[in-house]
Amino acid sequence: GEDVEQSLFLSVREGDSSVINCTYTDSSSTYLYWYKQEPGAGLQLLTYIFSNMDMKQDQRLTVLLNKKDKHLSLRIADTQTGDSAIYFCAESPNFNKFYFGSGTKLNVKP
Amino acid sequence: DAGVTQSPTHLIKTRGQQVTLRCSPISGHKSVSWYQQVLGQGPQFIFQYYEKEERGRGNFPDRFSARQFPNYSSELNVNALLLGDSALYLCASSEGHPNTGELFFGEGSRLTVL
Repeated sequence: GEDVEQSLFLSVREGDSSVINCTYTDSSSTYLYWYKQEPGAGLQLLTYIFSNMDMKQDQRLTVLLNKKDKHLSLRIADTQTGDSAIYFCAESPNFNKFYFGSGTKLNVKP
Repeated sequence: DAGVTQSPTHLIKTRGQQVTLRCSPISGHKSVSWYQQVLGQGPQFIFQYYEKEERGRGNFPDRFSARQFPNYSSELNVNALLLGDSALYLCASSEGHPNTGELFFGEGSRLTVL
């Protein structure tokens, strides 16, 4: 259960909503995460969701989890130019190791 | 409060050399993990240490080793460097006990092997 897949690029206009998708394989993962990486920086946790939840909302961020299809999505409402970054989906079955996707590069056009 | 600090930030080595990367976790964090991030890819898990003991190892050759010290800082060593070892090496700390498992990442050490 180490495969986490994401689309590579997403381009949106400022003010639109962005939806970043991810599929994972390890059904035993207790938590699923979204991390953000800005140029030249380390990763920063944006949000996470328990595997027994379907949805979590945190200000402009909405996470949807479909356990049956092993699909996770991150919606960013009212996307701003400052949201331009690479977004990584990650799963962790036991907190000892995390499996990251290849990242989705979000480009927000003014 | 200081976040996760890593040193050096950049370094250049030649094939066959050895490198040591250092990491200081957030104060109070007892767990340190190491990840390799090759350009254009997501981080790949290398090691996790908790209370100075190895708790997890990724699919990396024995040329990669690590340790954690009594003050919870950590070193990652890579021997007999190959061109393919060129990457950003990320250290992450966490509280270590079962919780949300949030990792706090440093800015990384960028290793270039020539």
